[in-house]
Amino acid sequence: DVKVTQSSRYLVKRTGEKVFLECVQDMDHENMFWYRQDPGLGLRLIYFSYDVKMKEKGDIPEGYSVSREKKERFSLILESASTNQTSMYLCASSLGGSAADTQYFGPGTRLTVL
Amino acid sequence: DQQVKQNSPSLSVQEGRISILNCDYTNSMFDYFLWYKKYPAEGPTFLISISSIKDKNEDGRFTVFLNKSAKHLSLHIVPSQPGDSAVYFCAAFRGGFGNEKLTFGTGTRLTIIP
Repeated sequence: DVKVTQSSRYLVKRTGEKVFLECVQDMDHENMFWYRQDPGLGLRLIYFSYDVKMKEKGDIPEGYSVSREKKERFSLILESASTNQTSMYLCASSLGGSAADTQYFGPGTRLTVL
Repeated sequence: DQQVKQNSPSLSVQEGRISILNCDYTNSMFDYFLWYKKYPAEGPTFLISISSIKDKNEDGRFTVFLNKSAKHLSLHIVPSQPGDSAVYFCAAFRGGFGNEKLTFGTGTRLTIIP
């Protein structure tokens, strides 16, 4: 079974703090993705990566950065957290070759920025 | 600009009856479509997909229909079961270098009434 784990289920941070969200997959997948889920907006892609040290902007990259130093780990960084970044953050991975490959999601991190 | 739309935020269906979830898209370049299902406190899981060269794909109780001329797809669940209560996201994909990502809809919350 593919396992995608996220470092925290719930996180509360203050405005201006630097926030790290970690994601690890154990199936040697090439592709990794970060989404945020908001009511009425569905899942929106923040960043994705097709290879180690490689990253591509998604639809809403502003205010975020990512790091992929190892194949199994993909980190999302909020450089200076703001209240409009309060959301559910979902990490996903897929085998490779195509983004249409089945994506396997982690359980999500609910981030609240006060 | 919401390229993939699910106009019904919620749907309630009696157990044993048919559930029909709808999805519309605006980008005619999308060539592959997927449905994901999400339970509370869990990440989405892949359910079923369809290529644009087909108009129907079936997997057990789940059938997806694609009407390319109307830019519309639907997911049919027959018969509906209580365990089908979840949020359903449709997603669309356009192949080609530099476009390798899924675009998700806003989701429909399905409630099966026992």
